Amino acid sequence: RKEVEQDPGPFNVPEGATVAFNCTYSNSASQSFFWYRQDCRKEPKLLMSVYSSGNEDGRFTAQLNRASQYISLLIRDSKLSDSATYLCVVNTGSWGKFQFGAGTQVVVTP
Amino acid sequence: DADVTQTPRNRITKTGKRIMLECSQTKGHDRMYWYRQDPGLGLRLIYYSFDVKDINKGEISDGYSVSRQAQAKFSLSLESAIPNQTALYFCATSAGAIEPQHFGDGTRLSIL
Repeated sequence: RKEVEQDPGPFNVPEGATVAFNCTYSNSASQSFFWYRQDCRKEPKLLMSVYSSGNEDGRFTAQLNRASQYISLLIRDSKLSDSATYLCVVNTGSWGKFQFGAGTQVVVTP
Repeated sequence: DADVTQTPRNRITKTGKRIMLECSQTKGHDRMYWYRQDPGLGLRLIYYSFDVKDINKGEISDGYSVSRQAQAKFSLSLESAIPNQTALYFCATSAGAIEPQHFGDGTRLSIL
């Protein structure tokens, strides 16, 4: 079993709609969680950190469920520019190694 | 200017050649990482360094070596390149164990 798993998609989303997807992780000792956005063949860019209480940044909402060991990302009012691959990143302990999911592709259509 | 700079951005070379990829950062972070990315796979860790005197192997270090020349510089070498090392390579930095990583623009490496 992979340490971090994501649905590869693609999630085809009409412009203006809401899309949500999850990421599961296997290491219960994981301490920090992040969502990154990656455009085709470019560097991953930090979208948001994921906190235990959940957090929101504009149209993006991230949640953490420690009991079931998953994090989620919800995008409201999708824009064409939201089309990208979203990477789930989980740290594997207190010493700073990270595991990356393979990414979830989101395609926003007009 | 980019905070994390990788050179070269693209490289095409032949099997058996020695290749060095360089990474420099202006973020002042102690922690630096090298990853490779292949289509359909997540980023995989090659080597990481938590300070100038600390070098650690990642999950796929075979065929690679690194050098941490200074806090700001971390280079990756392929001693004798082989075609299955064709990939997109990223350097990243981090301020601490649970802090997010910041990536360079990547190096597209093709080995013929």
